[in-house]
Amino acid sequence: RKEVEQDPGPFNVPEGATVAFNCTYSNSASQSFFWYRQDCRKEPKLLMSVYSSGNEDGRFTAQLNRASQYISLLIRDSKLSDSATYLCVVNPGRGGAGSYQLTFGKGTKLSVIP
Amino acid sequence: NAGVTQTPKFQVLKTGQSMTLQCAQDMNHNSMYWYRQDPGMGLRLIYYSASEGTTDKGEVPNGYNVSRLNKREFSLRLESAAPSQTSVYFCASSEQPPVTSLAKNIQYFGAGTRLSVL
Repeated sequence: RKEVEQDPGPFNVPEGATVAFNCTYSNSASQSFFWYRQDCRKEPKLLMSVYSSGNEDGRFTAQLNRASQYISLLIRDSKLSDSATYLCVVNPGRGGAGSYQLTFGKGTKLSVIP
Repeated sequence: NAGVTQTPKFQVLKTGQSMTLQCAQDMNHNSMYWYRQDPGMGLRLIYYSASEGTTDKGEVPNGYNVSRLNKREFSLRLESAAPSQTSVYFCASSEQPPVTSLAKNIQYFGAGTRLSVL
């Protein structure tokens, strides 16, 4: 099983739709989780951190399920500007030198269509 | 608010040439990282520097060297470029390495360097 797995998509959704992405991780000791957004030919930017209790930021909701080892991102009322690739990022929590390495998923591409 | 600045933005090399990618951050961060991103592969860590004066190998260090020049600057050197090193290179920084609190290990990325090796 790969360390961080995401459905590559693409997800093509109409404006106003609700879309959900899932991400699974292999290391049960993983300590911290993030969603990053990457626009075409741009750098990744933090979208939101994922807290154990789940968290919401406007139209975006992130959930963590430690028992099943997955993270989700829900986008409500999709906008054209939400079109991007969404990267799931995990700190595997290996300890020692490995603790400095975040593991990035390959990303899920979202296209919001007018 | 410059954040993380990378130079150059684009570069074309011939096989065997050398070059240094420069990275500087103005956020007073302790930790800095070099990644490469290839289609279908995601971001892979090449080298990192947890703090000034230290550097360590990441997932794909072969063919690269790094220097943490000071707290602000972290450079990546290709001594003898190969076509397999054609990629987009990103530098990133974080306040602390990912062993500390959630907020402090958020990584901020530069705009990237697109490198082609012919």
